[in-house]
Amino acid sequence: DQQVKQNSPSLSVQEGRISILNCDYTNSMFDYFLWYKKYPAEGPTFLISISSIKDKNEDGRFTVFLNKSAKHLSLHIVPSQPGDSAVYFCAASVSSSNYKLTFGKGTLLTVNP
Amino acid sequence: NAGVTQTPKFQVLKTGQSMTLQCAQDMNHEYMSWYRQDPGMGLRLIHYSVGAGITDQGEVPNGYNVSRSTTEDFPLRLLSAAPSQTSVYFCASSTKGSISYEQYFGPGTRLTVT
Repeated sequence: DQQVKQNSPSLSVQEGRISILNCDYTNSMFDYFLWYKKYPAEGPTFLISISSIKDKNEDGRFTVFLNKSAKHLSLHIVPSQPGDSAVYFCAASVSSSNYKLTFGKGTLLTVNP
Repeated sequence: NAGVTQTPKFQVLKTGQSMTLQCAQDMNHEYMSWYRQDPGMGLRLIHYSVGAGITDQGEVPNGYNVSRSTTEDFPLRLLSAAPSQTSVYFCASSTKGSISYEQYFGPGTRLTVT
């Protein structure tokens, strides 16, 4: 039973356009959400996170939106760059347990020049 | 700071062999965790530790043992390797003082069991 779902295995966008990656969750106890980026043969690297008390968090080109009632979050990348091509994982935790992340299966983003 | 380091990078084992995957962090983080990643899957939690001497099971603990005798090190032991344990293993660390709640990940160990 997947508690964090990324239903799009892959996404392809043109350089300069917006990339939108989506994530749904089922466990109402989750109150902290994170996005990680992973290149081949490397470990995941942290991108951005959001607490359930917020509905938006921005960091440069990256914005995460949280819709608690829909149990849905999304990551927007604007503008997309070829270096953004990677697998993006959505992860969730109960705030007191940031050593126990639950991950989605990931979305492979390809940004075409 | 080296961050989170893992050794070896690659390992091939025969069924029934045992081995230890090493993980170390130099950030003085209280928390450490082990995940595995299989093709088409996200990362799944194997074991975690909230401090030296304290460990607990994650989602997929069977076939693995851990111990945490120091803050820096968190080795993962495969007792009797099975082909189902072929995977990429990631170690991660985090601190209770983190505002972003992020975990820092090592580069991974790619394990093949034949």
